[in-house]
Amino acid sequence: AQSVTQLDSQVPVFEEAPVELRCNYSSSVSVYLFWYVQYPNQGLQLLLKYLSGSTLVKGINGFEAEFNKSQTSFHLRKPSVHISDTAEYFCAVTTTGGGNKLTFGTGTQLKVEL
Amino acid sequence: EAQVTQNPRYLITVTGKKLTVTCSQNMNHEYMSWYRQDPGLGLRQIYYSMNVEVTDKGDVPEGYKVSRKEKRNFPLILESPSPNQTSLYFCASSFGVGGTKNIQYFGAGTRLSVL
Repeated sequence: AQSVTQLDSQVPVFEEAPVELRCNYSSSVSVYLFWYVQYPNQGLQLLLKYLSGSTLVKGINGFEAEFNKSQTSFHLRKPSVHISDTAEYFCAVTTTGGGNKLTFGTGTQLKVEL
Repeated sequence: EAQVTQNPRYLITVTGKKLTVTCSQNMNHEYMSWYRQDPGLGLRQIYYSMNVEVTDKGDVPEGYKVSRKEKRNFPLILESPSPNQTSLYFCASSFGVGGTKNIQYFGAGTRLSVL
């Protein structure tokens, strides 16, 4: 069975500063990895995904993440955040070998301040 | 517009009164799933369906039922709701499994309060 750990429940950051949201996963087989964003009172929107190929993936709104197999990590980064990035971010994993069960982390609340 | 539609968006009910939350997708997706979101726990899968008439339990199925009689619809049924089912519920769908088919699209959520 797979699992996801998001160590930071809240990350406060000033506008225009860089940010990194951490995600570590555990799985005995190959995985697909996702970051979803949830704005207040909205559903989940796919931010970016790693399925195969280049370990550096770029998503919407200037976010990127790097898949590190040796460290079993998939950290999300943005070089300069905006107030509108304030939201909750979820890391999720599913295995490549059949089935489509998404296992989510507990989420990281990103709060961007002026 | 491609979307997953849940209804209602907000629901307050009382213990024991049966309710149904509907979910419909217009993308001809084979895979559909229900999750509940609780503070500090992230999203947990309740039930999923690989195709019409094929459903299976997720991580937290107790107290819930589902059906998949049509490809586009996947209702969540609470036969006898209890206060511990107060939560935010999301329906999701994807083309299937494997590669880009795995990408799940989410509805806007249903906030349920059971008194």
